Amino acid sequence: AIQMTQSPSSLSASVGDRVTITCRASQGIRNDLGWYQQKPGKAPKLLVYAASILERGVSSRFSGDGYGTDFTLTISSLQSEDFATYYCLQDYGYPRTFGQGTKVEV
Amino acid sequence: QLVESGGALVHPGESLRLSCIASGFNLQDHWMTWVRQAPGKGLEWVANFHYGSGKRFYLDSVEGRFTISGDNAKNSLFLQMNNLRAEDTAVYYCVRDREYHPRSTELWFDVFDVWGQGTQVTVSS
Repeated sequence: AIQMTQSPSSLSASVGDRVTITCRASQGIRNDLGWYQQKPGKAPKLLVYAASILERGVSSRFSGDGYGTDFTLTISSLQSEDFATYYCLQDYGYPRTFGQGTKVEV
Repeated sequence: QLVESGGALVHPGESLRLSCIASGFNLQDHWMTWVRQAPGKGLEWVANFHYGSGKRFYLDSVEGRFTISGDNAKNSLFLQMNNLRAEDTAVYYCVRDREYHPRSTELWFDVFDVWGQGTQVTVSS
């Protein structure tokens, strides 16, 4: 199975900060990658798919980039509602695999 | 909208069937997926199913024990879980894959755009 490794596992940030989360695949996965946000007790929410396409209705302060094995999710100016856990998910091969998550805290 | 049901507390070795009812769209038009989350842990993809082709794929640790299926008439997705283990304890989410297919390419991307609220499965003696 393709292993997805996110870094960091957690980070502390303040409102207004620029935040970047990294996801690395154990093999090349083209741009077959999505990013999801999850808040405590809630279902995940889609942010980005195909590595860089922003889901409709998602704030433009979120952006995704990358190809092959290295990917990033960037929040340009962190807002209070962005404190959550973020997961990458590869859809290049089966089984689909998530990263272990990055918790963004105050 | 997706609404799951069927979660419960069961003993190791027992079976359980999860259901997911869709409203506002036809399940048969999409790949449908089950994702789970163990207590305090990350997300784990479990299985997916495509009505049209009948194709289905599984996580290695559930293959042979879990079966994903659907019922067009009921617009519902199911996950039959047999021989349950303690490590299957999790919240199980039903997810729609809208898919993205750029024109003039043979590429398809997963787009997990609709999630249910989840149903709790606990396996404990």
